[in-house]
Amino acid sequence: DQQVKQNSPSLSVQEGRISILNCDYTNSMFDYFLWYKKYPAEGPTFLISISSIKDKNEDGRFTVFLNKSAKHLSLHIVPSQPGDSAVYFCAASARRYTDKLIFGTGTRLQVFP
Amino acid sequence: NAGVTQTPKFQVLKTGQSMTLQCAQDMNHEYMSWYRQDPGMGLRLIHYSVGAGITDQGEVPNGYNVSRSTTEDFPLRLLSAAPSQTSVYFCASSSWPSSTDTQYFGPGTRLTVL
Repeated sequence: DQQVKQNSPSLSVQEGRISILNCDYTNSMFDYFLWYKKYPAEGPTFLISISSIKDKNEDGRFTVFLNKSAKHLSLHIVPSQPGDSAVYFCAASARRYTDKLIFGTGTRLQVFP
Repeated sequence: NAGVTQTPKFQVLKTGQSMTLQCAQDMNHEYMSWYRQDPGMGLRLIHYSVGAGITDQGEVPNGYNVSRSTTEDFPLRLLSAAPSQTSVYFCASSSWPSSTDTQYFGPGTRLTVL
């Protein structure tokens, strides 16, 4: 039972355009969401997070949007750069009830010139 | 500052062999965890620890043992390796009390079980 789903295994975007990565979740207890970025042969690195009390969080070129009613979050990267090419994982946690972080299956983003 | 280190980077085992994947962090983090990454499955939590002497199971704990005798180290033991345990293993740490604080991941151990 996949509680955090990233239905697009891959995404290809031209440099300078917007990249939109999507994530859906099923557990209504989740109240904290994170995005991680992973390059080949390296461990994931934290990118951006959002609490369920917000619907948007921005950090430079990266913005995460949360739609609680739809149990959906998205990561926007504007403008996309070739260095953004990586696998992106969304993750979720129910902070009040558990210490566990549940990850999605990942989306491979390729930004081409 | 080394962050989170994992050894070995690569390992090949035969079915039934045992081994320990090592993980160490030098950030004085209370929370440490082990994940495995498989194609199409994302990162799945195996075991985690909220401090020395305290461990708990994640999503896929079967076939793995852990212990936490010090804040710095969190080894993962495979008692009798099986081909289904072929995967890339990541160790992570973060400050307590919230495990959702930024987790720092190690570079991973790629394990193949024949």
